[in-house]
Amino acid sequence: AQKVTQAQTEISVVEKEDVTLDCVYETRDTTYYLFWYKQPPSGELVFLIRRNSFDEQNEISGRYSWNFQKSTSSFNFTITASQVVDSAVYFCALRNRDDKIIFGKGTRLHILP
Amino acid sequence: DSGVTQTPKHLITATGQRVTLRCSPRSGDLSVYWYQQSLDQGLQFLIQYYNGEERAKGNILERFSAQQFPDLHSELNLSSLELGDSALYFCASSVADGYTDTQYFGPGTRLTVL
Repeated sequence: AQKVTQAQTEISVVEKEDVTLDCVYETRDTTYYLFWYKQPPSGELVFLIRRNSFDEQNEISGRYSWNFQKSTSSFNFTITASQVVDSAVYFCALRNRDDKIIFGKGTRLHILP
Repeated sequence: DSGVTQTPKHLITATGQRVTLRCSPRSGDLSVYWYQQSLDQGLQFLIQYYNGEERAKGNILERFSAQQFPDLHSELNLSSLELGDSALYFCASSVADGYTDTQYFGPGTRLTVL
């Protein structure tokens, strides 16, 4: 079965704190792709990152970083020195060989000023 | 502005009716994706077209159909509408097949079925 679990439904942190959003996935395929998307209060969806199953290197983009660990089937997302503009719902997703894209239920992140 | 346009922005209709949602991808993008977001089901992938051909199929109901035209715009047709079809429908586009490229999302069409 293919599944994406974002166990944290909602997180609140104070501005400038670091925060990590968890994503655990299940798949039987050896080739797959993982994604993170952001949905700010305005409602649009923004693609953040894609990672394939053969690339376990962690990625950093400004204050954003992603930790991909196949051993624990996790693809966690960390925001360093959070800002109010980071407040959004964040979705993790999985794409398998069958090309279907499966989303987690999302984590709503509140950054408090 | 992502460069992906969706029309209409809002649509209100009645149960049993049929509607068509339209998506124009960014210039040069070959793939178009459709997603549905509702309170009950969350965010769901419906279907992807790549250069006019169906590339991947997700949880798309039989009452729904889509196509991508030669000019690469896409339409999502929803028929025999039910209350549960009320949702935000997003379209996205990417340059290639979606494995190595970034997806750009349109602003969405909010469908309300009364």
